[in-house]
Amino acid sequence: EAQVTQNPRYLITVTGKKLTVTCSQNMNHEYMSWYRQDPGLGLRQIYYSMNVEVTDKGDVPEGYKVSRKEKRNFPLILESPSPNQTSLYFCASSLTGEGYGYTFGSGTRLTVV
Amino acid sequence: AQSVTQPDIHITVSEGASLELRCNYSYGATPYLFWYVQSPGQGLQLLLKYFSGDTLVQGIKGFEAEFKRSQSSFNLRKPSVHWSDAAEYFCAVASRGGYNKLIFGAGTRLAVHP
Repeated sequence: EAQVTQNPRYLITVTGKKLTVTCSQNMNHEYMSWYRQDPGLGLRQIYYSMNVEVTDKGDVPEGYKVSRKEKRNFPLILESPSPNQTSLYFCASSLTGEGYGYTFGSGTRLTVV
Repeated sequence: AQSVTQPDIHITVSEGASLELRCNYSYGATPYLFWYVQSPGQGLQLLLKYFSGDTLVQGIKGFEAEFKRSQSSFNLRKPSVHWSDAAEYFCAVASRGGYNKLIFGAGTRLAVHP
């Protein structure tokens, strides 16, 4: 089944403790992206990647890092999480080129206390 | 700046009633247009998309949307709502050039009364 898999689904952590949210897709998609969803704000892009070793900032990149060492994986790294990063996070992938809609993962609900 | 506006934060309809969710966008040129649905605790599912051609687009679950260039709108409609349609709905746009970054509206939460 074609899908985007995120782990974990739920995570509670403390301020400053480094964490990684994994994302993997099995569709051989070139484009991958991370979004965060906050009430009243919709989804905002954090980082995106157009291919292996090619990443760039989205609209809200502060406090996050990403890497794309393999085509299928695109982990999101929070080096020093803060409470304002409490949010619902989605990974998404897209085939290539213009106009293809993204396939989204099921989301990771992160709480930073 | 590019933006997507969904004027209605919450909408409540009775089961069997018709539904229209509004979406307006601000973009330099006609973008690609999408509607996504998010059921409670779930990810986003693509309902339908507009690329070109017929301005009335049919999607899954009985939804349709109409692109009106003159109004920069892409409203979502369903003639008869089912209780299972209760969810949050997001309108999104993507540029036609380069990679297809999605810009989302804030969402409309739909409640359905039995």
